[in-house]
Amino acid sequence: AQSVSQHNHHVILSEAASLELGCNYSYGGTVNLFWYVQYPGQHLQLLLKYFSGDPLVKGIKGFEAEFIKSKFSFNLRKPSVQWSDTAEYFCAVRGMDSNYQLIWGAGTKLIIKP
Amino acid sequence: DAGVTQSPTHLIKTRGQQVTLRCSPKSGHDTVSWYQQALGQGPQFIFQYYEEEERQRGNFPDRFSGHQFPNYSSELNVNALLLGDSALYLCASSLRSRGRTGNTIYFGEGSWLTVV
Repeated sequence: AQSVSQHNHHVILSEAASLELGCNYSYGGTVNLFWYVQYPGQHLQLLLKYFSGDPLVKGIKGFEAEFIKSKFSFNLRKPSVQWSDTAEYFCAVRGMDSNYQLIWGAGTKLIIKP
Repeated sequence: DAGVTQSPTHLIKTRGQQVTLRCSPKSGHDTVSWYQQALGQGPQFIFQYYEEEERQRGNFPDRFSGHQFPNYSSELNVNALLLGDSALYLCASSLRSRGRTGNTIYFGEGSWLTVV
């Protein structure tokens, strides 16, 4: 069965610090990978996605993620965070045989101190 | 604007009651999926509708049922509500293309259900 693991439930950083949020998945086949963000009181928004090709994916708001197939990982990075990045971040995986069902990590709450 | 609209945004029900949540997908999308997101957890897949039929189902009891209408909008029904059903219910829409799964999924703002 597919599963997604996000290593940290809570992360607290100061502005301008670098960010890396871990995401590992278990699935033997080809996958689509996603990072979604949920700002307080708002809906889930897509940050970036990986379907195929270049494993380094750039998303909105300066975020990027790298797909490392050998490690079953898709870590999210940002070189310099801002206070406005305070939100909950979710990693999600879709196996190519799962017909659009997303399997989600438990989320990481990111708090940026001004 | 997410493009996916859900109603109501908040509601409170009593144990044993029934609830219906509604979703209109993003324009041009034909597939609707429902997710339950409990506090502090990631979303859990409930089921997916395409061409007015339930196509996939997650690990949820039969108390959870749904419907998709010819205009692609969808309803989620939950019968005999339990306290544990309190959660954010998310609707997601996408465009199903035969032989491809690389389509982005868009989410609505969700319906907050509190069961007391």
